[in-house]
Amino acid sequence: DAGVTQSPTHLIKTRGQQVTLRCSPKSGHDTVSWYQQALGQGPQFIFQYYEEEERQRGNFPDRFSGHQFPNYSSELNVNALLLGDSALYLCASSPWAGSGYTFGSGTRLTVV
Amino acid sequence: GEDVEQSLFLSVREGDSSVINCTYTDSSSTYLYWYKQEPGAGLQLLTYIFSNMDMKQDQRLTVLLNKKDKHLSLRIADTQTGDSAIYFCAQQWVTSYGKLTFGQGTILTVHP
Repeated sequence: DAGVTQSPTHLIKTRGQQVTLRCSPKSGHDTVSWYQQALGQGPQFIFQYYEEEERQRGNFPDRFSGHQFPNYSSELNVNALLLGDSALYLCASSPWAGSGYTFGSGTRLTVV
Repeated sequence: GEDVEQSLFLSVREGDSSVINCTYTDSSSTYLYWYKQEPGAGLQLLTYIFSNMDMKQDQRLTVLLNKKDKHLSLRIADTQTGDSAIYFCAQQWVTSYGKLTFGQGTILTVHP
């Protein structure tokens, strides 16, 4: 049984560009959350999707947006990339909001 | 506030016990988690405890919760070199629909 799958694993983008990261949740899970983990820091909550709607959002600007599809997979989009957006982006899924999440291995984004 | 704080480093000898500490904010109706992160990997859920519990044991892992002092600890018995990793404490309010607030992480180094 596959866990949480994220793609791509690594990505290099230029400042000002836009990026899309993808996540497939664990089988049976319908809730997806995204986290940003800067080097040497703990993950920071970006937002959560359930039933194709954004249910909760952390303290991130509108440049960060997302989407959830009917099959529960999700995308994270970041516009107008800044050098400070360089981080590991983690996707986590759960069978329902409030239980322990299963995390993917992340996408390492480098903005140059 | 929503701060979760951890000591940054811990070094132990193989076979000894490790104790990783964490302090958190308001303890009403909250879940507290311990995650492990190995280099280049995502987060692995180790264990969790609800705020109405004092202790939870799972094989080599023991979680202790001191609600009065808002202090959480993770004890790893018979620590092995494979336990070397970063350990994150995370807090989740029951009403927050899944948002996790993480500490900065404790780097555990196990020496042979």
